[in-house]
Amino acid sequence: GNSVTQMEGPVTLSEEAFLTINCTYTATGYPSLFWYVQYPGEGLQLLLKATKADDKGSNKGFEATYRKETTSFHLEKGSVQVSDSAVYFCALSSMKTSYDKVIFGPGTSLSVIP
Amino acid sequence: DVKVTQSSRYLVKRTGEKVFLECVQDMDHENMFWYRQDPGLGLRLIYFSYDVKMKEKGDIPEGYSVSREKKERFSLILESASTNQTSMYLCASQGGTVGTDTQYFGPGTRLTVL
Repeated sequence: GNSVTQMEGPVTLSEEAFLTINCTYTATGYPSLFWYVQYPGEGLQLLLKATKADDKGSNKGFEATYRKETTSFHLEKGSVQVSDSAVYFCALSSMKTSYDKVIFGPGTSLSVIP
Repeated sequence: DVKVTQSSRYLVKRTGEKVFLECVQDMDHENMFWYRQDPGLGLRLIYFSYDVKMKEKGDIPEGYSVSREKKERFSLILESASTNQTSMYLCASQGGTVGTDTQYFGPGTRLTVL
């Protein structure tokens, strides 16, 4: 079945460091891929998405490229800020009749220290 | 902006009590979901609904039931709360057309069962 694997956390970085959070997936067909972010005390919100191979999603300085050949969707940011401290979830959607079922990875906790 | 609200941010209940968690969305979305979030396990789907009065079991429905009497409202019911249902509960909504795969989340309800 479809699944999402993320790198284990927690990840701790200093402000302005480079961030990579690895995500790989297993899926049949051509799923859409997502990164969701959960700030402390809040629900999840969409950070970025890509709907087909070689698409790059980007938002708030974060980027991820849909790589079908390596079944990956790694999240990157060139210079993290304290305000980026959150839990990041990689996810994919697979079409199920009238709706798109979303499968989430386990989440990676990021702490950015000044 | 889509808004998904949940009735309580924090809830403390006793073992054996009947618990109602309510979720309301304002975007006329057909699909609504209840997840629980536990450390190291990510999000697990409990139940979802693709229309008024329609529901389907997710991955972990045991011990839960749901109700959707109006399109905007989706309730999760714990018939007899147990300590292993202590968790963060997240509601989400999603548009009803295949390809509208972004989910919008509420802020979550942290439930403690004593």
